[in-house]
Amino acid sequence: QSVLTQPPSVSGAPGQTVTISCTGSSSNIGASYDVHWYQQLPGTAPKLLIYGNTNRPSGVPDRFSGSKSGTSASLAITGLQAEDEADYYCQTYDMRLSGRIFGGGTKLTVL
Amino acid sequence: EVQLLESGGGLVQPGGSLRLSCAASGFTFSRYGMTWVRQVPGKGLEWVSTISGSGGATYYPDSVKGRFTISRDNSNNTLFLQMNSLRAGDAAAYYCVKARSGTYENWYFDLWGRGTLVTVSS
Repeated sequence: QSVLTQPPSVSGAPGQTVTISCTGSSSNIGASYDVHWYQQLPGTAPKLLIYGNTNRPSGVPDRFSGSKSGTSASLAITGLQAEDEADYYCQTYDMRLSGRIFGGGTKLTVL
Repeated sequence: EVQLLESGGGLVQPGGSLRLSCAASGFTFSRYGMTWVRQVPGKGLEWVSTISGSGGATYYPDSVKGRFTISRDNSNNTLFLQMNSLRAGDAAAYYCVKARSGTYENWYFDLWGRGTLVTVSS
């Protein structure tokens, strides 16, 4: 069981907006550590999607956005496209564990 | 080309050892912290270890502390993971990952290798 909780799956139709939540606690997200998001397309390695809570690396479409509030963070994907179908992971640091932690991952299905 | 290429995975018996390598290219290797992340096929990601750019600081979760050792050779742009006393639960794809950012706690992973598969079985 992950310290960071993500919904196992979300889905949406092309063009719609979906949001993936990442819920932590006072020892990680709530302790003001940055949250980062990764996208893992089927059969490939993860790829950085959002860093520092809200920042997109160059090349990542602005359809992807991140936010953080209190002990939770969220990834929003607008204008869903078929190629967005992937697993998404949040990641941060936990001071009680003294290490990096990942959420359990969310599988996005584009209907 | 900026890339990370892992090698050294394979089949090992429980209690055995394996050494993973990761060849880095396309960036100034010694300037960046590096990390190993593993993933059981079909499951989530798990942080395995981190090393500073100089190699002077290393970090591990309790699940591998005392059994795994991360190291680096900055003259040859190579990262290593020595894995001893391997268990069935260590079987996974192991990714070599480049870290980025200022403070250690807020590092994020901006470049991933393709991974190397470790199987632990008798």
